[in-house]
Parts: sequence; structure tokens; C-alpha cells
Amino acid sequence: AQTVTQSQPEMSVQEAETVTLSCTYDTSESDYYLFWYKQPPSRQMILVIRQEAYKQQNATENRFSVNFQKAAKSFSLKISDSQLGDAAMYFCAYRRDDKIIFGKGTRLHILP
Amino acid sequence: DTEVTQTPKHLVMGMTNKKSLKCEQHMGHRAMYWYKQKAKKPPELMFVYSYEKLSINESVPSRFSPECPNSSLLNLHLHALQPEDSALYLCASSPTSGSAYEQYFGPGTRLTVT
Repeated sequence: AQTVTQSQPEMSVQEAETVTLSCTYDTSESDYYLFWYKQPPSRQMILVIRQEAYKQQNATENRFSVNFQKAAKSFSLKISDSQLGDAAMYFCAYRRDDKIIFGKGTRLHILP
Repeated sequence: DTEVTQTPKHLVMGMTNKKSLKCEQHMGHRAMYWYKQKAKKPPELMFVYSYEKLSINESVPSRFSPECPNSSLLNLHLHALQPEDSALYLCASSPTSGSAYEQYFGPGTRLTVT
């Protein structure tokens, strides 16, 4: 069975600094997708970034980038130039067809 | 319109009540999902509808009954719930049920069972 593990329940970062959230997963499949979702307090969950497993190139979206290591089954999220609006719960998710599994989340605090 | 709407925002119900949650999207998405999220926990998948047919039921108790009347609308009928069913219920949609597609989430319905 597939599993997704986020080993950091909470993290803090100074505004304008860089922070990396870790995620590891386990699967026997070779074709799947990985996602990072952000859930701000009392607000909707939104997609931050997506990575196709068959692509070696790491995905990037503005200040957000991933370090995808397929062999190690690792999918970390790097947030550069952290902003107050980045404060949220971040969930790593694995998806193959309709099977979607979320990690337990990392609560990110931004320190002004 | 890239929005998934859910009504009501909050719902308090007794264990003998019957109520329904509603979810709507007008993005032309053909896959819709119900999740249950307890406080400080990740969403747990409950049901998936693909092209208006139930494709996944994650062994959810029968006191939760999903319905997809058309491609834009998803309901969750609730009956004889237990206090432990109190949670945030999230609806999501995606263009199809393929792996590549992100899910668009609604704001959720905060359910309290007394």
C-alpha cells in the first residue's frame, strides 16, 4: 500500500528566508503524480505545485520549487523569500488515478 | 469560474436528524470527491464520482450516502450520525479522474453532531 510521510509536524522560518519541507512516500508504481497543497487557517486548500514521476526535471512555480528524488522516494518543497501569506498547513499528496493519499501535514509559521 | 462551492458552511445536527451537504462546480469537471477532515489531520477520501457514477467508496459507513444528480452537483446525505462524525467535510473536483489533474477544493462544511 502507498504511504506518504511528512516528518516535520511544525516548522518556523523568518520572513524573506528560505525553508524546506520534507516528504517521503512509498509505492511500487512507476507512474504517478505528486502534489503539494497549502491549507491556510480557515481557508480553502489550494495547489502549490505538481510533479510528474516520469519527469526528472524538478517542478518550479515562482518562489516554490521541489527536489524530487524518485529513487529515494523523496519530494521536498522549498519556499524561497518566505512571506507572511505563506503561513499555512502544507500537505504532500500522492496520486495515481483516483487513489489520493495525503501526508499528515506540516504547519509552517512565518516569523516577521 | 474556478470555484467549488459548498453549503451550508456550518451544520449542527442531532444523532437522529437527517441532513444533506451540497457541493457545486461549474468548471465542467467530471470527477468529484468527498473528504472528511478532522482537526489538525489530513483529508481522508470518502467517495469519488467519475462521470456521475460512484467509482470509489472508501468503506464509509452507510449513514453517509453520496449522490451525484448531475455533472455539476454532488450531495452527501447524512442520517443517524455519531458525535465522532463531527469534522470538516470537503468537496473537491478535477477535470477527470486521471492522475495528472489537480483537485479544486471547496471551503468545506463544518459539521457538529450533538
